[in-house]
Amino acid sequence: ELQLVESGGGLVQPGGSLRLSCAASGFTFTTYTMAWVRQAPGKGLEWVSSISKDATITEYTDSVKGRFTISRDDSKNTVFLQMSGLRAEDTAIYYCTKKLPRTSPFDNWGQGTLVAVSS
Amino acid sequence: EIVMTQSPATLSVSPGERATLSCRASQTVGSNLAWYQQRPGQAPRLLIYGASTRATGIAARFSGSGSGTEFTLTISSLQSEDFAIYYCQQYNNWPPLTFGGGTKVEIK
Repeated sequence: ELQLVESGGGLVQPGGSLRLSCAASGFTFTTYTMAWVRQAPGKGLEWVSSISKDATITEYTDSVKGRFTISRDDSKNTVFLQMSGLRAEDTAIYYCTKKLPRTSPFDNWGQGTLVAVSS
Repeated sequence: EIVMTQSPATLSVSPGERATLSCRASQTVGSNLAWYQQRPGQAPRLLIYGASTRATGIAARFSGSGSGTEFTLTISSLQSEDFAIYYCQQYNNWPPLTFGGGTKVEIK
């Protein structure tokens, strides 16, 4: 069974850091681009970051550039999102998702992990 | 950045009726358009990709159409489990990958 299981969310103060993890199983991890999509409370979906199947290409939405870093460990079928300099506007559910390279949709999603940035 | 605009924001429909949702792109995305369903408290789920191809396991009452900048998702006969929020997303030209603001389908 295909699974994407996120962890690492929680309450953090503004300016703080968190590292999200997404453990993948049930598919060939190295075939897929992995991504994070977030959803602020009561709001829509926002793509945050993607990492190519070979980790050579990483991309970010403008609002997180320089603060967030995406990485992957193919030996553990896991993708990470290191978040620093957190702001109140980063408060959201963060979903792990996957897609085939370039022109393809997000075909499976995890259940998400909540990040709350507040003092 | 390609801006995706969905309409209406809310659609009130009776069970068994037809629902038609619209999505417009600020520039052409070809057929590289997906629709997702998000039920309350759940993660999004892929419904349609390539503008008109149903994802695995998606019921035949869901259909997608359009190309270029204008797209439609039709639910032919609404079931109770279809009351949810629907998002369109373009994956033709990125980064960034962009979503529409969503259409909430509610019970009339």
